[in-house]
Amino acid sequence: DIQLTQSPSFLSASVGDRVTITCRASQGISSYLAWYQQKPGKAPKLLIYAASTLQSGVPSRFSGSGSGTEFTLTISSLQPEDFATYYCQQLNSYSYTFGQGTKLEIK
Amino acid sequence: QVQLVESGGGVVQPGGSLRLSCAASGFTFSSYGMHWVRQAPGKGLEWVAFIRYDGSNKYYADSVKGRFTISRDNSKNTLYLQMNSLRAEDTAVYYCAKDRSNYGDYADYMDVWGKGTTVTVSS
Repeated sequence: DIQLTQSPSFLSASVGDRVTITCRASQGISSYLAWYQQKPGKAPKLLIYAASTLQSGVPSRFSGSGSGTEFTLTISSLQPEDFATYYCQQLNSYSYTFGQGTKLEIK
Repeated sequence: QVQLVESGGGVVQPGGSLRLSCAASGFTFSSYGMHWVRQAPGKGLEWVAFIRYDGSNKYYADSVKGRFTISRDNSKNTLYLQMNSLRAEDTAVYYCAKDRSNYGDYADYMDVWGKGTTVTVSS
């Protein structure tokens, strides 16, 4: 199975900061990667798919890049509502694994 | 509006069985692949199973293969997850989620999620 490793696992930042989360795949997955945001007690929300395509309704401060084995999610200017846990997920194989998550906390 | 509502969770003893349901509304259910994803208490997301829009292809995580069965009834707009031989490590919130695009031969990204139903496996 393809493993996804996110870094960092925890991130402390302030409103207005630019933050980047990395997701590394154990083997190449082309651009078959998504990013989800999850707030406590809520279902995940799709932010980015196909590595860099913004899901409808998602603010443009979110962006994704990468292909092959290394991917990034960038939030250009953190807003209070962005403090949450972020997960990457791959669709390249028949076992659609998630990364372990990155918890973004307020500094 | 597009909505997914899970039900069927509860407390079950190790070795027991449970069937989860996911009622879909607001979209043409029979045109979309569907997923089950779970989240153990305090842990991350784990993809569990996928079924193609017509039910012809099904894929499972290794952790549930041979114990869980995903199915759907397109006439009732409902997705199911039959869970047998349950273990303590199956304790989780179970979410159903919809594929982003329709008529896909394989799984797509999940654009709509239900609120989840809680399964607890304990003696």
